[in-house]
Amino acid sequence: NAGVTQTPKFRVLKTGQSMTLLCAQDMNHEYMYWYRQDPGMGLRLIHYSVGEGTTAKGEVPDGYNVSRLKKQNFLLGLESAAPSQTSVYFCASSYPRTGWFSYEQYFGPGTRLTVT
Amino acid sequence: AQTVTQSQPEMSVQEAETVTLSCTYDTSESNYYLFWYKQPPSRQMILVIRQEAYKQQNATENRFSVNFQKAAKSFSLKISDSQLGDTAMYFCAFMRDQGAQKLVFGQGTRLTINP
Repeated sequence: NAGVTQTPKFRVLKTGQSMTLLCAQDMNHEYMYWYRQDPGMGLRLIHYSVGEGTTAKGEVPDGYNVSRLKKQNFLLGLESAAPSQTSVYFCASSYPRTGWFSYEQYFGPGTRLTVT
Repeated sequence: AQTVTQSQPEMSVQEAETVTLSCTYDTSESNYYLFWYKQPPSRQMILVIRQEAYKQQNATENRFSVNFQKAAKSFSLKISDSQLGDTAMYFCAFMRDQGAQKLVFGQGTRLTINP
């Protein structure tokens, strides 16, 4: 099993450009999350999904959109990148806690995005 | 809203020593879950240990143990016999018992183990 994978691993954008980050998991997890990590601030939740076709806002959703058309994929979009979106982005997934399996969140390797 | 605070931005100890990382949190809920994650230079987030708030017994995982003080809302991580491979950022995180299992992270503590 590959676990949680993220594409790309690195990206440099110019202000105003758009891009999509792809997260894929092969563990049949219901829940998926996008976090951003900034120095001195830990990880903060951008958007999340509790199932195929559903999405919801997290703590810092402004400037981002997401889609979950397939259970195994969770896409994070930046329509018009800004320097403030320079960060490391992590995707994570998990089972619901009420299920038989561990509710631990499994993280992808991260994407380092620089907006100039 | 829940908040998590790690008041030690950086720590440094010698190999084989014991080190304790501090974490406090704020919540009005009675049941919840607490976690410590390790992030080595590879950037991968690795779960170190978890604690269910309804359990009074402190969790342990080999050289890692926690001191969970529910009334004080404190959740510290103790690393015994520290090893060079323990060098990493450590994040404390909180999860509510209900809802979408979202994690709220602290700011992190950068731990360096010196040979």
